[in-house]
Amino acid sequence: QKEVEQDPGPLSVPEGAIVSLNCTYSNSAFQYFMWYRQYSRKGPELLMYTYSSGNKEDGRFTAQVDKSSKYISLFIRDSQPSDSATYLCAMKESQGGSEKLVFGKGTKLTVNP
Amino acid sequence: NAGVMQNPRHLVRRRGQEARLRCSPMKGHSHVYWYRQLPEEGLKFMVYLQKENIIDESGMPKERFSAEFPKEGPSILRIQQVVRGDSAAYFCASSLSGLNTGELFFGEGSRLTVL
Repeated sequence: QKEVEQDPGPLSVPEGAIVSLNCTYSNSAFQYFMWYRQYSRKGPELLMYTYSSGNKEDGRFTAQVDKSSKYISLFIRDSQPSDSATYLCAMKESQGGSEKLVFGKGTKLTVNP
Repeated sequence: NAGVMQNPRHLVRRRGQEARLRCSPMKGHSHVYWYRQLPEEGLKFMVYLQKENIIDESGMPKERFSAEFPKEGPSILRIQQVVRGDSAAYFCASSLSGLNTGELFFGEGSRLTVL
């Protein structure tokens, strides 16, 4: 079982739709949970991060973490064509004096005008 | 404030040649990470460096790959005797003081093609 599973992909929605992106993970030691957005041929950029279980809102974006189920989600309200990108979930792993981010494979989202 | 700068953006090598990828972190950042991204795959951790030190190289292939982050100058990811399977996008990311807020600032990547 991979450490981080990301589902679904690819996703195509009409403008204005609510988008739900999800990841599951297996490592209980994961702490911070993040969503990165990556436009085509660009580097990823941090969208949201959260530490605890619950919801965190930022404009049209809501990140949700359920540690008991090892499940995280990103919701995008009133989706726009400019939201078309690949969305990567990421989790911080601390081990043996090192820290790194472990990423999901990413979900490619297309928002059609 | 310039972001993370990677060069070259595109690199073509023949099998058996060497590839050198450079990364200048954001100003003031002393933590550098290298990730590899294959088509349809997520970002795979390779190595974590601080100035003059390799902190974690658990994601680096044991042979042909090396990384450094000298006291002066950019971080270098070096791939010797490249093979077709090395073709990928290599991303460098930097942070100010580790991952307490989860923010890694990524460069735009170096895309290596091995012929």
